[in-house]
Amino acid sequence: DAKTTQPPSMDCAEGRAANLPCNHSTISGNEYVYWYRQIHSQGPQYIIHGLKNNETNEMASLIITEDRKSSTLILPHATLRDTAVYYCIVRPTIQGAQKLVFGQGTRLTINP
Amino acid sequence: EAGVAQSPRYKIIEKRQSVAFWCNPISGHATLYWYQQILGQGPKLLIQFQNNGVVDDSQLPKDRFSAERLKGVDSTLKIQPAKLEDSAVYLCASSSLGAWGYTFGSGTRLTVV
Repeated sequence: DAKTTQPPSMDCAEGRAANLPCNHSTISGNEYVYWYRQIHSQGPQYIIHGLKNNETNEMASLIITEDRKSSTLILPHATLRDTAVYYCIVRPTIQGAQKLVFGQGTRLTINP
Repeated sequence: EAGVAQSPRYKIIEKRQSVAFWCNPISGHATLYWYQQILGQGPKLLIQFQNNGVVDDSQLPKDRFSAERLKGVDSTLKIQPAKLEDSAVYLCASSSLGAWGYTFGSGTRLTVV
């Protein structure tokens, strides 16, 4: 499985955009970039995924560089409830049946 | 839609005792996963089921851990005998073949003393 590198922790002010970077320089052509987050005492929650185009949903935006070696998850208007550990994961294209391999993630703290 | 249900929520046992965890996935989800999450680390996959067959159990310590998924629905994960290093949160997740993301349960926090 391709590995990802994320900063161990980040802080962001409430109401500001939170930009979480991820490096995946060894990503293969058939691997998607996934983002999950884990709020304290809960299981991980799916946020968004993408292959090479930028993606946006109701939770976040995902920006993937043209060479696909890095990506940024953007929470446009962070709230206190966005405080969590955010995991960037690369995974082959086959839907549903491929396991997720989690790294250490980034602990994001939203400050009032 | 109901989420992934896990029980118990918390469990404290002494080392060398046995323990079992239960998971009820989302209805219709063919794939079920058990993850172990040690404090401060990301979740680690223990076993993956496709319906009631095992797809990947390469990380499961088979000398003490066992898991089954009868009839391709509910699943149980058992540890016998438990060691101190088994203290962790055990997460169950499920997905359907047509879906991109998993749905995780809230986990069972196991403390071995």
